Amino acid sequence: AQSVTQLGSHVSVSEGALVLLRCNYSSSVPPYLFWYVQYPNQGLQLLLKYTSAATLVKGINGFEAEFKKSETSFHLTKPSAHMSDAAEYFCAVSGRSGSQGNLIFGKGTKLSVKP
Amino acid sequence: KAGVTQTPRYLIKTRGQQVTLSCSPISGHRSVSWYQQTPGQGLQFLFEYFSETQRNKGNFPGRFSGRQFSNSRSEMNVSTLELGDSALYLCASSDNRGNYGYTFGSGTRLTVV
Repeated sequence: AQSVTQLGSHVSVSEGALVLLRCNYSSSVPPYLFWYVQYPNQGLQLLLKYTSAATLVKGINGFEAEFKKSETSFHLTKPSAHMSDAAEYFCAVSGRSGSQGNLIFGKGTKLSVKP
Repeated sequence: KAGVTQTPRYLIKTRGQQVTLSCSPISGHRSVSWYQQTPGQGLQFLFEYFSETQRNKGNFPGRFSGRQFSNSRSEMNVSTLELGDSALYLCASSDNRGNYGYTFGSGTRLTVV
């Protein structure tokens, strides 16, 4: 069985500060891991994905995430927050077995950016 | 490249009615998945279709059904609507069964009154 836990339903940072959104996963098979962002009244936009090519993954809008197998973590970071980063962020896991083509999402973390 | 298109964007239905939502995937994508998003339960997987076959199904009652056509377009149907079915329904498509990332549509906001 697979699951995702996102620590902190709300995170608030100041503009220019480091953004750190935490994600821990549980998977019985080697996982694919994803971060998505959702702006109000919109769908999900893929920020980045881990598919075993490299443990440090760079995504769009200056975000990156590091896969740490020993910690079963895939935390999302951005060195300097912008006002436009305010949104909800979802971590998701997908198994690599042939029958697991769906995504299991965490509950999401709402990021607020203060001027 | 056109994105994933979901229609309609907004829908209001009465309890007991049925509803059909449509999703057109990115051209060339053969995998389509549906998700329900609610404030209480978050994002939950409904089902996945690949080449017109349902490959995976989430833990939803039989009132929720779907299908995929030969052009990969997909529809989902909810019969005998309940108030709790009010949600944002998201469709996502992939060219490799989702393991390399799904592209999501903007969703259909269903309100059941």
